[in-house]
Amino acid sequence: RKEVEQDPGPFNVPEGATVAFNCTYSNSASQSFFWYRQDCRKEPKLLMSVYSSGNEDGRFTAQLNRASQYISLLIRDSKLSDSATYLCVVPSGTGRRALTFGSGTRLQVQP
Amino acid sequence: NAGVTQTPKFQVLKTGQSMTLQCAQDMNHNSMYWYRQDPGMGLRLIYYSASEGTTDKGEVPNGYNVSRLNKREFSLRLESAAPSQTSVYFCASSGTGGMRSEAFFGQGTRLTVV
Repeated sequence: RKEVEQDPGPFNVPEGATVAFNCTYSNSASQSFFWYRQDCRKEPKLLMSVYSSGNEDGRFTAQLNRASQYISLLIRDSKLSDSATYLCVVPSGTGRRALTFGSGTRLQVQP
Repeated sequence: NAGVTQTPKFQVLKTGQSMTLQCAQDMNHNSMYWYRQDPGMGLRLIYYSASEGTTDKGEVPNGYNVSRLNKREFSLRLESAAPSQTSVYFCASSGTGGMRSEAFFGQGTRLTVV
């Protein structure tokens, strides 16, 4: 099983829709998780951090299910500007000092 | 307000040539990383450095070497470039553990090996 797995999409949704992405991880010892956003040909940027059961920031909600080892990202009232690739990130490596990225889920919000 | 600075932004190499990608951060972060991203794919970790003086291999280290010159700088060297190393290379840095683990990225180096 890959350390971090995501559905690559693409998810094509109309403006105003609610969309959810899932990310599964293999190491049950992981404590903190992140969602990054990456626009085409740009560097990834932090969207949200998840340390306990979940986190909410405006239209974005991240939830953690430790028993099933997955995290999810929910986007409500989608905007055209939300179109991007969303990357799930899990600490890994020796002493959990590295960061492993999922391959990303592409979202395309359509007018 | 520089954050993570990578140089160069673009590079074309011939097969067999060598080059060093430079990365510097001004956030006093302990950890630094080099990733590569191939078209339509996610980021794959090449090497990382958890602190000054230490380096560890990531998922795809073959063909690369790194140097953590000091706390600020982490360089990536291609000794003999191959077309398979055509990619976008991102350097990143982060604090250590917990809420300080968020990574900040440089703008990337677009490398083409012909």
